[in-house]
Amino acid sequence: DAMVIQNPRYQVTQFGKPVTLSCSQTLNHNVMYWYQQKSSQAPKLLFHYYDKDFNNEADTPDNFQSRRPNTSFCFLDIRSPGLGDAAMYLCATSRGAGSLSVGNQPQHFGDGTRLSIL
Amino acid sequence: AQSVTQPDIHITVSEGASLELRCNYSYGATPYLFWYVQSPGQGLQLLLKYFSGDTLVQGIKGFEAEFKRSQSSFNLRKPSVHWSDAAEYFCARLTGGGNKLTFGTGTQLKVEL
Repeated sequence: DAMVIQNPRYQVTQFGKPVTLSCSQTLNHNVMYWYQQKSSQAPKLLFHYYDKDFNNEADTPDNFQSRRPNTSFCFLDIRSPGLGDAAMYLCATSRGAGSLSVGNQPQHFGDGTRLSIL
Repeated sequence: AQSVTQPDIHITVSEGASLELRCNYSYGATPYLFWYVQSPGQGLQLLLKYFSGDTLVQGIKGFEAEFKRSQSSFNLRKPSVHWSDAAEYFCARLTGGGNKLTFGTGTQLKVEL
């Protein structure tokens, strides 16, 4: 089945130690998103890629970076994780509507990576 | 700002009872609206969506939702709840010119056996 796969499901890192979370998709969707979801809260969009075009949310800290080497993969890099970055990180994809506008396409989510900071 | 509001943080229903989860949206003549469900430790699964046309939309797992422009609402319903429906439910809408999904705060559903 076509899907969005996030690895690992659980990640533990040390305070200040860089960490990378991975997302892959077999849906061949143009758009890939990264969300942060803290306990008992709604997901919060960090950034998204439309093809290779990167779109950062205004309130996303510089500590968070992303890479998309090809259509299928997208990575979330946290350069110096703090205790406040402990959360579930969700990757999602959608089919772009063309002309660099995402339009009204639903987003498909992976199962998330739960990040803990020691 | 375009947003969605879920007034109920927690709802408890008995198995077999009917369910209605509320969602209200602000601004936008024709919002693009979604309902997602999230089981513990899992990602979000799309239940249904409304873009235009018939205001009563059918989704997966026996869920439906009705778009009511006069009430700015998009409530989720299910005629008979199963214990496996216990989860968190998020209403969401497309914002930011269609490239951003803005979520409500979620409603935690508990099903009593």
